[in-house]
Formats: sequence, C-alpha cells, structure tokens
Amino acid sequence: SQQGEEDPQALSIQEGENATMNCSYKTSINNLQWYRQNSGRGLVHLILIRSNEREKHSGRLRVTLDTSKKSSSLLITASRAADTASYFCPAGNTGKLIFGQGTTLQVKP
Amino acid sequence: SQTIHQWPATLVQPVGSPLSLECTVEGTSNPNLYWYRQAAGRGLQLLFYSVGIGQISSEVPQNLSASRPQDRQFILSSKKLLLSDSGFYLCAWIINTEAFFGQGTRLTVV
Repeated sequence: SQQGEEDPQALSIQEGENATMNCSYKTSINNLQWYRQNSGRGLVHLILIRSNEREKHSGRLRVTLDTSKKSSSLLITASRAADTASYFCPAGNTGKLIFGQGTTLQVKP
Repeated sequence: SQTIHQWPATLVQPVGSPLSLECTVEGTSNPNLYWYRQAAGRGLQLLFYSVGIGQISSEVPQNLSASRPQDRQFILSSKKLLLSDSGFYLCAWIINTEAFFGQGTRLTVV
C-alpha cells in the first residue's frame, strides 16, 4: 500500500484563477491518481498518471509527476465554483489505496 | 458497464444498536472491495478489504466487522454501535488500482 500526502490542506481562490495542489509520497510507485470529493459525496476519479509519464492533461486538469522527488501536482486552470471540493492523491502499487487528508479547495464566485 | 451501489444514504442509530451497511457491484466478477470511513473534514481511513468470497482483511482494530457472502456483495456490520462509529462510510471497488466509489452512507450514532 502507499499513501499520498496532499498540500496545502486548504486553498481558497477566486473564480477564473488557477489552482495548484501538490502531493508527496514516500516509496516507489507504479502510478498516482487524483480524486475529487464533493461535500458529503463519494469520490470521483479524475486522472491517473503512470510512473513513466511526466505530464498528463484532461480538459482543464494538468497533472505532473516527478518520480525523483516523489511528488505530483494537480493544476486546475480557469477554476469554476463547481470545482469547490476536496482533492486526494492516493499512490498505488497494489489494489489497496491509502488516502491522505486531502486538499480542500474553495472557489469563490 | 460496472456500477457500485451502496445503501442507505443516511442512517441515524442509537448507541448500542446493530448496524448493517450493504454494498453491491454490478458488471464485474471477483472484484476487490473496500470499506472506508471518513470523519468530518478528514481523509479516508481504510477499514476492511476483500479479494474474494469469505476473505476479509481488517486494517484497524475497531467495533466493526465486514463480511462477503457473495462475490459482488460486501457488508459492514456492528453488533453494538458506539458514538465514535459516527461518520461517512464509503464502499469502493478497485480494479487495476483505479477506485470506483459508492455514494456513501452518513451514519450518525445518537
């Protein structure tokens, strides 16, 4: 099992701004994922980046992975109020995912 | 397509009462199933996982238990609930390390 630790714990921005959150992990991984959780709901898978990838895009999301630093970042461009949620980055080698505390993003209209 | 169902969505139970939360998966066979708990404003804590019928692994000692009576059914139980069992419970199905979550059960023990 692996655990990703998200940073910062909380982030507040204005609508239209970009939001960047970071993730660190401790041991080698096969892939890293980002999930979003809207308040009181289940988690939704956003994007997966494999250990041999350095950057990946999906719509307004951009994920980077630096395996030498054991870190990843999630950039949300042109944020919207609907992006308000908690974001998690479990890192996995096996089927068991361990989640950190997450980054709580608030996008103000 | 694969889907995961979890119910009920909310539950209010008195201290000392039993608990049974059910999770079922459709569209796959022999899934790896997981129960997580999330305290208010916190991350997810892995409680149990199962790789097959009758196979349960417990991650933390607690007042809860899990069972897997059928391939696509995963149940979280307690004989006597404690106040500290309150929280948001999530069932997940993980395949190739990607997780699919149910909508969660908000449990309030009063």
